[in-house]
Amino acid sequence: EVQLLESGGRLVQPGGSLRLSCAASGFTFNNFAMTWVRQAPGKGLEWVATVNGAGGKTFHADHVKGRFTISRDSSNNTLSLNMNSLRAEDTATYYCATVRTWGPEGPVDNWGQGALVTVSS
Amino acid sequence: DIQMTQSPSTLSASVGDRVTITCRASQSITIWVAWYQQKPGKAPKLLVYDVSSLDSGVPARFRGSGSGTEFTLTITSLQPDDFATYYCQHYDSYKWTFGQGTKVEI
Repeated sequence: EVQLLESGGRLVQPGGSLRLSCAASGFTFNNFAMTWVRQAPGKGLEWVATVNGAGGKTFHADHVKGRFTISRDSSNNTLSLNMNSLRAEDTATYYCATVRTWGPEGPVDNWGQGALVTVSS
Repeated sequence: DIQMTQSPSTLSASVGDRVTITCRASQSITIWVAWYQQKPGKAPKLLVYDVSSLDSGVPARFRGSGSGTEFTLTITSLQPDDFATYYCQHYDSYKWTFGQGTKVEI
């Protein structure tokens, strides 16, 4: 059974930094792309970033480019999201998820429970 | 960038109704369209991928169709468990886009 367990979500001040982690199990980690999708309170889904199965290629949404960095560590089956220069509009639940394909051109088929990031002074 | 415009934003229906949700892409796209269902406080669930392929375990009353710039999710006979919010998604080789969501309510 695929399990994705996010951690690291908390209250942070505007301009601050945060690192989200996602511990993955139940599947061959290197065979699938991984992604972060967020959802602001009461709002819709918004793609944040995706990394391919090998970790060599990353893709970031324009609204986080230059501030957020997605990465993966196959030695401990962990997906990470480094977030810098956080803004109030980054407040959201961040979902870690698997992509059905090795590259980014596939649907999301497994989701974590989400990690809440609140950016406020 | 490709935009996905989903309609309607809210849909009122009854058990047994046929329901159709539409997503229009800002330009012609390939087969890389998916549909998700989300219930309050829960993570989304994949229903349909590659426009019309039903994910494993998803009831046959859910149908995806479309091509070019117009894509639809149809629920042929709405069941009590189907009241939820639905999202379309275009996935590409370098960028993803979600529709704004459609809330299906009683």
